[in-house]
Amino acid sequence: SAVISQKPSRDICQRGTSLTIQCQVDSQVTMMFWYRQQPGQSLTLIATANQGSEATYESGFVIDKFPISRPNLTFSTLTVSNMSPEDSSIYLCSVGEGPTNEKLFFGSGTQLSVL
Amino acid sequence: QKEVEQNSGPLSVPEGAIASLNCTYSDRGSQSFFWYRQYSGKSPELIMSIYSNGDKEDGRFTAQLNKASQYVSLLIRDSQPSDSATYLCAVILLGAGSYQLTFGKGTKLSVIP
Repeated sequence: SAVISQKPSRDICQRGTSLTIQCQVDSQVTMMFWYRQQPGQSLTLIATANQGSEATYESGFVIDKFPISRPNLTFSTLTVSNMSPEDSSIYLCSVGEGPTNEKLFFGSGTQLSVL
Repeated sequence: QKEVEQNSGPLSVPEGAIASLNCTYSDRGSQSFFWYRQYSGKSPELIMSIYSNGDKEDGRFTAQLNKASQYVSLLIRDSQPSDSATYLCAVILLGAGSYQLTFGKGTKLSVIP
């Protein structure tokens, strides 16, 4: 399986600021996924990032709040913009394997706390 | 609205016992089913996948799928303290060239030495 490096591992941010999370994969992958895991909640897909095209956002997530870049087949960033305490969560990038990328492998995650 | 339901636990079992983790899903069209293990403070790790009705065994882990009952389970034999973690059930529906992987909230397992 791919090795996925994610940083920062954790951060404490002030309300109204933005944080960019980076995800680096050790092999070329078509699709990268960004998930959020709030305390006591299930993993929720934020968006799917394909190289060379706009990210596809899930219901409840918008590009202005969570802009994503995918400049090449091994790298992606997720920005959490204009943060509020409700954005405090773990953010995870992942890549899929299998015919439809159904088997997910996750980065180590970013623990975000917004004050 | 596709849903995946799990008992949040905690489920406590003594060391050496069989731990049984259960998951139900709402979408009859679901095709693929996964179990992830998540240690505290760590990211989820894929441990089992199952696509057909019946049992699939991998070491001490057995996944069981019953599509008619919309039920998937994970059995852990000879449970060890190192198995203590949260286990996430995930279900995927294939179709129309895309898919949506839906996770349950997870069951926290505690194996007591």
